Amino acid sequence: GDSVTQMEGPVTLSEEAFLTINCTYTATGYPSLFWYVQYPGEGLQLLLKATKADDKGSNKGFEATYRKETTSFHLEKGSVQVSDSAVYFCGRGGSQGNLIFGKGTKLSVKP
Amino acid sequence: GAVVSQHPSRVICKSGTSVKIECRSLDFQATTMFWYRQFPKQSLMLMATSNEGSKATYEQGVEKDKFLINHASLTLSTLTVTSAHPEDSSFYICSARMGGMGNQPQHFGDGTRLSIL
Repeated sequence: GDSVTQMEGPVTLSEEAFLTINCTYTATGYPSLFWYVQYPGEGLQLLLKATKADDKGSNKGFEATYRKETTSFHLEKGSVQVSDSAVYFCGRGGSQGNLIFGKGTKLSVKP
Repeated sequence: GAVVSQHPSRVICKSGTSVKIECRSLDFQATTMFWYRQFPKQSLMLMATSNEGSKATYEQGVEKDKFLINHASLTLSTLTVTSAHPEDSSFYICSARMGGMGNQPQHFGDGTRLSIL
């Protein structure tokens, strides 16, 4: 069935380091792709999305490009901050309008 | 932006108690609401999909008599965990979506931490 695979964490970086969190999805249909962020003790917040191939979603310095040829939607940020410490979930739209998530990647940014 | 309110944020209760969790879309009409369950260090697993005015569609392995879902209006869905037991302890998150298109983003509540003693 449909699934999303993202790199396992935790990922620990120093402030201002470059971040990449890999995400690949099963290629059934042409799903919308999302990145959600979950800060400690909170629910999920939409970080960015892309709805078709070659679209680039961006928000708060984070970017991800919908790559159909590699079925990927990797999340990147050029310079992370301590406040970016959170769990990041990659997701794709499911056939019933639901979201199918990866297992999440915990990011810790040290000052 | 779109706001989803989930209440309560935390519940601690005795085994055998039934617990109701509310999910409200505050500034939009949510045709569809979803209920997810998050286990420690794991992803969110879809429990059920709820469309306003109709019965919820449950995912395989989710007991519909255990997890009662009601979506009586376009702004409110409730999840009732009936006769809760310690294995039901988890983080439950609802989300709501406008319209019927799959590319509409879902907006999530802040979740409910349920602890059954």
